[in-house]
Amino acid sequence: EDKVVQSPLSLVVHEGDTVTLNCSYEVTNFRSLLWYKQEKKAPTFLFMLTSSGIEKKSGRLSSILDKKELFSILNITATQTGDSAVYLCAVANYGQNFVFGPGTRLSVLP
Amino acid sequence: NAGVTQTPKFQVLKTGQSMTLQCAQDMNHEYMSWYRQDPGMGLRLIHYSVGAGITDQGEVPNGYNVSRSTTEDFPLRLLSAAPSQTSVYFCASSSRGNSPLHFGNGTRLTVT
Repeated sequence: EDKVVQSPLSLVVHEGDTVTLNCSYEVTNFRSLLWYKQEKKAPTFLFMLTSSGIEKKSGRLSSILDKKELFSILNITATQTGDSAVYLCAVANYGQNFVFGPGTRLSVLP
Repeated sequence: NAGVTQTPKFQVLKTGQSMTLQCAQDMNHEYMSWYRQDPGMGLRLIHYSVGAGITDQGEVPNGYNVSRSTTEDFPLRLLSAAPSQTSVYFCASSSRGNSPLHFGNGTRLTVT
């Protein structure tokens, strides 16, 4: 059975801290790994990773994939209160299905 | 460009009632899907469709039906609502190939 695990499930930091969120997976016919940010409503897309070792970066957020060890990390540097959200990791297979992890709830305190 | 539109935003049902959650997308996406989101359990796939006339079951299909008569619309039907179906429901779509999912804003359903 396809499975995505995220850790930690919950994290509280102060503004300016750097955080690392983890995602590991067991998925048949892996195609890509995706990160989403979910605030009050719909998840919004952050990154899609398909190749090992190639960092994707957007402002203070970055992510990298290790297909040999079957995991990915999402880094957020110089956190701000606006980064408070649930971060979801998902893996897509070649059946075009997406399996989601439980999410990491990040709280950034001023 | 509206993206993925879900209606209604909120719904309260009594046990045994039926209803349809609507989902429409205007991006000409071939793939559409329904998820439910419960605390601590992430998003779980209910049903999905890879094109008009084609549907298949996801991880938690029991108690739900879908149909895909057009590319744009993918309604989710609850046949006889149960309290265990209290959840937030998201519709999502993506284009063919290696593309991310685009989500609607969700429907919060409460079954009493």
